[in-house]
Amino acid sequence: DVKVTQSSRYLVKRTGEKVFLECVQDMDHENMFWYRQDPGLGLRLIYFSYDVKMKEKGDIPEGYSVSREKKERFSLILESASTNQTSMYLCASSSTGGSTDTQYFGPGTRLTVL
Amino acid sequence: AQKITQTQPGMFVQEKEAVTLDCTYDTSDQSYGLFWYKQPSSGEMIFLIYQGSYDEQNATEGRYSLNFQKARKSANLVISASQLGDSAMYFCAMREHGSGNTGKLIFGQGTTLQVKP
Repeated sequence: DVKVTQSSRYLVKRTGEKVFLECVQDMDHENMFWYRQDPGLGLRLIYFSYDVKMKEKGDIPEGYSVSREKKERFSLILESASTNQTSMYLCASSSTGGSTDTQYFGPGTRLTVL
Repeated sequence: AQKITQTQPGMFVQEKEAVTLDCTYDTSDQSYGLFWYKQPSSGEMIFLIYQGSYDEQNATEGRYSLNFQKARKSANLVISASQLGDSAMYFCAMREHGSGNTGKLIFGQGTTLQVKP
């Protein structure tokens, strides 16, 4: 059974703090993704990675960075959290070369920045 | 530019009835894939169904079917015999042009479905 886990379901941080969101998948997928979800805006891609140590910016990378040192783990970093980064963060993974490229998602992290 | 549009922010349906959630897309590609995901209040995105642009038959998965009308660029999700557990937000998505093997998707804004007992 496919499994994507995220380190926290709920997180509260203060403005200016450095925040780490961790995502782990056990499906040996090459591709991993970080999205944020806000009401009325759907899911917007922040960053994705198609291989270890490889990353590409998505649609809204400003204020975020990522790290992928191991195939199964993809971290999202908020260097200096701000209140406009309060959101739901979703991690996903997918396989390269599959017939459908279906993305499988983790449970999400609801981040509040005070 | 590629785009996914879901025009129904919210929908109601009576339990045991069928419901159609609308999705239109815009792309100049000949080869593309369309997806539907369900997001319950718990937050997790659950993959429901996939339709490839060259698939001649409409995709079906249990009570879910995808009404694919290529000429109209629509990919509506049909849920038959609605259940209370179907209450959730539903997202339509399309594989992004030029994404190669990375499988990048673009998502619509979502439709909230409420099933009434």
